[in-house]
Amino acid sequence: QKEVEQNSGPLSVPEGAIASLNCTYSDRVSQSFFWYRQYSGKSPELIMSIYSNGDKEDGRFTAQLNKASQYVSLLIRDSQPSDSATYLCAVGGLTGGGNKLTFGTGTQLKVEL
Amino acid sequence: DAGVIQSPRHEVTEMGQEVTLRCKPISGHDYLFWYRQTMMRGLELLIYFNNNVPIDDSGMPEDRFSAKMPNASFSTLKIQPSEPRDSAVYFCASSLTGDNEQFFGPGTRLTVL
Repeated sequence: QKEVEQNSGPLSVPEGAIASLNCTYSDRVSQSFFWYRQYSGKSPELIMSIYSNGDKEDGRFTAQLNKASQYVSLLIRDSQPSDSATYLCAVGGLTGGGNKLTFGTGTQLKVEL
Repeated sequence: DAGVIQSPRHEVTEMGQEVTLRCKPISGHDYLFWYRQTMMRGLELLIYFNNNVPIDDSGMPEDRFSAKMPNASFSTLKIQPSEPRDSAVYFCASSLTGDNEQFFGPGTRLTVL
């Protein structure tokens, strides 16, 4: 079982819709959770971090964390074509992981006009 | 403030040659991470440093790979001898604390012929 799992997609949503991206992780001791956006040919860009159960909102982005169920999600409201990218979920504090992050393989999002 | 700086941005070399990738972390960040990204394996952590000391090099694929951090503002990743399977994008990232937000450099796209 992979430590951090994401559906590779592509996830296609129409412009203006809500895009929902999901991530599950295997280790209950994980403490920190991040979403990165990566455009084709570019480096990962941090867009959200979350450390406590519940929701965290930043503009059109909302991160949701449920430690009991071991999942973290990212909602993108009013999706725009410029949101089309690969979204990487990263988890920190995995057992034996020291101070490093473990990344999922990413979900490709396509926002269609 | 400048972000993480990497050089070169692109490197094309022939099998058997030595390759040196360079990274300058964000000033004041105590942690530095080297990643490799390929389509097949996604984003993999190779090694990370804390206060210039290597903490975990378990991701280094083999002895052909080595990394150093002689001071707080400079790190190198060396491959000697290089092989075609080393072709990938190599990212450097830095953070204030270990499992906190990591910021990525633009990456070095390495092609080994």
